[in-house]
Amino acid sequence: GENVEQHPSTLSVQEGDSAVIKCTYSDSASNYFPWYKQELGKRPQLIIDIRSNVGEKKDQRIAVTLNKTAKHFSLHITETQPEDSAVYFCAAGSGGSNYKLTFGKGTLLTVNP
Amino acid sequence: EPEVTQTPSHQVTQMGQEVILRCVPISNHLYFYWYRQILGQKVEFLVSFYNNEISEKSEIFDDQFSVERPDGSNFTLKIRSTKLEDSAMYFCASTRQGGNQPQHFGDGTRLSIL
Repeated sequence: GENVEQHPSTLSVQEGDSAVIKCTYSDSASNYFPWYKQELGKRPQLIIDIRSNVGEKKDQRIAVTLNKTAKHFSLHITETQPEDSAVYFCAAGSGGSNYKLTFGKGTLLTVNP
Repeated sequence: EPEVTQTPSHQVTQMGQEVILRCVPISNHLYFYWYRQILGQKVEFLVSFYNNEISEKSEIFDDQFSVERPDGSNFTLKIRSTKLEDSAMYFCASTRQGGNQPQHFGDGTRLSIL
């Protein structure tokens, strides 16, 4: 089955700096890569996603890049703000009609004012 | 914007008891999912459901687990005889189409087994 590795497990940056979180996946059949932000005690919230036919996608301060050959994808947050502090999870989707998401272990991002 | 809703928000149950977690998917969605998250850990897939059948299930989803769509709006997860290790947040999600579609989670049910 699919295995998703996520690094780093914790990341601390100064407000205004950029943050990068990286994930690798094992199943070449995976074709969908969402990123979720989870604040303490709340549900994972989808913040951006990318499909395997695209190499990069951007939404304001957030961007995701995908390298299918190397089987890795990354989340980039620019101009970080204290409210960006949360746990971020990457996931890989596969399965055709039996679709499921396999998640990474998460990255605790702390943005220091 | 339509949301997935889950009830109850918190369920406390004695070990060995049955528990039913409820989800109301977004109204025109046809594919339904359950995930769980043990405290401090990653989100794990449990089961997907389409056309009144389980499409896919994980190793976690053993014989103690079952899912049902009892009517046109609810999607339930039943744990027949709960164990301490079933304590977790359980999230429901739904999509209109299958495949690589965005999955938006409900607020979850915190299940505490005593």
